[in-house]
Amino acid sequence: KQEVTQIPAALSVPEGENLVLNCSFTDSAIYNLQWFRQDPGKGLTSLLLIQSSQREQTSGRLNASLDKSSGRSTLYIAASQPGDSATYLCAVRAGNTPLVFGKGTRLSVIA
Amino acid sequence: DAGVIQSPRHEVTEMGQEVTLRCKPISGHDYLFWYRQTMMRGLELLIYFNNNVPIDDSGMPEDRFSAKMPNASFSTLKIQPSEPRDSAVYFCASSPRVGRDLRGSRTDTQYFGPGTRLTVL
Repeated sequence: KQEVTQIPAALSVPEGENLVLNCSFTDSAIYNLQWFRQDPGKGLTSLLLIQSSQREQTSGRLNASLDKSSGRSTLYIAASQPGDSATYLCAVRAGNTPLVFGKGTRLSVIA
Repeated sequence: DAGVIQSPRHEVTEMGQEVTLRCKPISGHDYLFWYRQTMMRGLELLIYFNNNVPIDDSGMPEDRFSAKMPNASFSTLKIQPSEPRDSAVYFCASSPRVGRDLRGSRTDTQYFGPGTRLTVL
């Protein structure tokens, strides 16, 4: 059974810092991996989707990498801003199974 | 498009009462998912539908939970009778037909509704 773990559970950084969020999964036979953002009281918004054949995806200040063989992904946020404060969730898809989510990392960027 | 619509946004009820959560997926999407989110367990898939047909309900915790999708634009999740441990945020999500984009990559991004926060006293 696929399990997704995210470390750390919470992170607080000063504005302007670059930061890395970590995601690991137990079964490397995945189709893709996604990073989502969740704001308090809101649903999830997809940020980046990495196919199993890809190593990274970039969107603005966000860069997500994937190392399928080691079962790891990182989300890099450059020059963090208070508006980046949210919970970030990682999810993987394998075969015909739906997404399996991690519990998320709660990020606070302090002005 | 207004996105995935869920109602109510908040529900407070007493133990033993029936609770019905509603979801309107994005028009044209073939898949609909119901999730439950708690601090302890994170986001858990309860059930999902493809073209209105339930495909996998293995995540439904007990027989007290049931879900229906009578047509492509509406789904319900019902809890009867409700218990305090059912308190959570319930999300509905939809996605277009899982296929491949022009580069041959799988397309299966899910679009989430705002959720229903359920409190069972």
